[in-house]
Amino acid sequence: EVQLVESGGGLVQPGGSLRLSCAASGFTFSSYEMNWVRQAPGKGPEWVSYITSSGTTIYYADSVKGRFTISRDNAKNSLYLQITSLRAEDTAVYYCARVRTSYYGSGSSKTYLYYYMDVWGKGTTVTVSS
Amino acid sequence: QSVLTQPPSASGTPGQRVTISCSGSSPNIGSNTVNWYQQLPGTAPKLLIFRNDQRPSGVPDRFSGSKSGTSASLAINGLQSEDEADYYCAAWDDSLNGPVFGGGTKVTVL
Repeated sequence: EVQLVESGGGLVQPGGSLRLSCAASGFTFSSYEMNWVRQAPGKGPEWVSYITSSGTTIYYADSVKGRFTISRDNAKNSLYLQITSLRAEDTAVYYCARVRTSYYGSGSSKTYLYYYMDVWGKGTTVTVSS
Repeated sequence: QSVLTQPPSASGTPGQRVTISCSGSSPNIGSNTVNWYQQLPGTAPKLLIFRNDQRPSGVPDRFSGSKSGTSASLAINGLQSEDEADYYCAAWDDSLNGPVFGGGTKVTVL
């Protein structure tokens, strides 16, 4: 069974840090690009960060750039998100999601034929509060 | 404020047809394919429609998607009680260089 399981969430004070993990199973993790997506209470999902299958290309949403760091360990079938300088507005459920995409071009000149997330974990909750 | 605009709610009785709209702009829906996700209460989003109108294996054919210009829509034909959920549209945004989502539509079965 294809599965993603997040862990590492919790209650943290403003300015604090956490490391989220996502364990993948049931598919060849090293062949897939991955995303972190978060969902604040009562809101729609918000994309946070993306990493290619090899880990060589990484993107971040402007709202987290400079504070969050995505990484992966293909030998351990795991995806990570290091989150620092936490703010109240970072309170959300954080999901890892498998990316399915096809594009041509590179860098900022990519043209996407399609882009979607076909497998999601159940999420881990991050609450930022004093 | 979400990049893609959806009505906050929609409703229907069992067996009815319900449609949900999703409005975007040139860098997102106007240039890229649209996906729809279903989120049942207390669960993670689940892929419902991808590449505008494709259903993943296991999704009932009463769900259908379409796209025209900078707008897209999701239709549920023959509404069932288990369809009560939040529905989100999404698309890649060339300007933001990432995927963007709608604010969600809560479907209620009366």
